[in-house]
Amino acid sequence: GAVVSQHPSWVICKSGTSVKIECRSLDFQATTMFWYRQFPKQSLMLMATSNEGSKATYEQGVEKDKFLINHASLTLSTLTVTSAHPEDSSFYICSARDEMETGKNIQYFGAGTRLSVL
Amino acid sequence: AQKITQTQPGMFVQEKEAVTLDCTYDTSDPSYGLFWYKQPSSGEMIFLIYQGSYDQQNATEGRYSLNFQKARKSANLVISASQLGDSAMYFCAMREFLYNFNKFYFGSGTKLNVKP
Repeated sequence: GAVVSQHPSWVICKSGTSVKIECRSLDFQATTMFWYRQFPKQSLMLMATSNEGSKATYEQGVEKDKFLINHASLTLSTLTVTSAHPEDSSFYICSARDEMETGKNIQYFGAGTRLSVL
Repeated sequence: AQKITQTQPGMFVQEKEAVTLDCTYDTSDPSYGLFWYKQPSSGEMIFLIYQGSYDQQNATEGRYSLNFQKARKSANLVISASQLGDSAMYFCAMREFLYNFNKFYFGSGTKLNVKP
């Protein structure tokens, strides 16, 4: 299957700083990528849909200015958590669909990023 | 209404035995896909198996099979010959192909523990 790489896998930062998380599709192109947040022992919550060359589409309740998404190329989307606070500590995971893969429309996920804000 | 329902928060199974993880879904879209993912403690989401709404046969991938009962709107995952490495969270998910193609609906997950 297709491979999605996410970096970093773990980050610890001080309150007030910004953190950038990268999501890359390694062997396929993705005009659309997705960013999820997952709290401990809970399911994935879609935060936003990242669209190559245009603005991201945010889910209701997700602050656009807090979670900046940039999808500058067909293989890279970034999520920047701006002015991070302890309540932003969570597991963030991205996914992408190989649009050339017909039929199944499988979403492939990155390995996730554990963010801890002190 | 919940799009995906997983009613088993936790399951135990003896090593080498089979286990069924339940999943029911709700959609009026005539075209949809159902997915199962495994999430070990490391956090990565691993794709296991896919079933399309128009597929005539139940999907199988190695030790994984999907018991698809369209009329009952259920898509249970069957893991045969459980292994210790199968201990993980399992999520059922659905994509509606006509109504909202980009949205992926996840269930709340089932934590599977395989006992030696």
